[in-house]
Amino acid sequence: DAGVIQSPRHEVTEMGQEVTLRCKPISGHDYLFWYRQTMMRGLELLIYFNNNVPIDDSGMPEDRFSAKMPNASFSTLKIQPSEPRDSAVYFCASSLPVSPSIHEQFFGPGTRLTVL
Amino acid sequence: QKEVEQNSGPLSVPEGAIASLNCTYSDRGSQSFFWYRQYSGKSPELIMFIYSNGDKEDGRFTAQLNKASQYVSLLIRDSQPSDSATYLCAVNDRGSTLGRLYFGRGTQLTVWP
Repeated sequence: DAGVIQSPRHEVTEMGQEVTLRCKPISGHDYLFWYRQTMMRGLELLIYFNNNVPIDDSGMPEDRFSAKMPNASFSTLKIQPSEPRDSAVYFCASSLPVSPSIHEQFFGPGTRLTVL
Repeated sequence: QKEVEQNSGPLSVPEGAIASLNCTYSDRGSQSFFWYRQYSGKSPELIMFIYSNGDKEDGRFTAQLNKASQYVSLLIRDSQPSDSATYLCAVNDRGSTLGRLYFGRGTQLTVWP
C-alpha cells in the first residue's frame, strides 16, 4: 500500500490567502485525522472523521479552519484567510481497528505550511 | 482532556546502552498504548503498541505497561545512533471515540557513538 498521501508537501503563502491541504487515507481505513505540529504546542488533533463523518472538531482553532471528507478516499483541510500563526506542519493520519480496542494510526508525510 | 506526560529530555545514551523512555497517563480507563518514533523533519512512525499489563518485545524494543500505576515505558536495547529521534507516547480514547489517540509531547533521544 502507498500509505497516507498528502499534498502539497510544502506550501508558502501570504497572509490572507486561502490554503487547501489534501489527504488520501490508506485504502480501507475508516478513520481519518488532521493534526498540526509546532515546537511550542507539539502534536495537536484538529479534527477527525469516522466513515467520512466528522466526529470531533473541537481542536479546530478558529472558524478560519474547515475540513471536509466527501468520500472515503479524500479529505481537505482549508484555512481561509491564513495568518502567520498558522505556520506549522500539518499531518493527516488514518486508522483501522485491529481489534475492538486497538486502532493502529498511520501518518502521512505532512505538509509544511509557511504563512508570510 | 486526557493527559499524557513524558519527560521532554533530551535523553542522551552511548551506543550499545539501554535507553528507557517513560510515559504516564491520566485516564485509568485507557486500554491501548502506542509508541511512535519521529525523526527530525519526518512524520511519526508507529513502533509498537501494548494493551496488556507486563512486557511486549519486538526486536530491540520492549514496551512495558503497568495499568495500576498508569505508566508505560519503552526500552531500546543495544541503542544505535539511528535510534536518535523523538519518541511519542500515545493513549487511546475509549467508548464511542475509541479511535482517537492522545499524544504526549515526546522525549528526544540522542544516541552517541
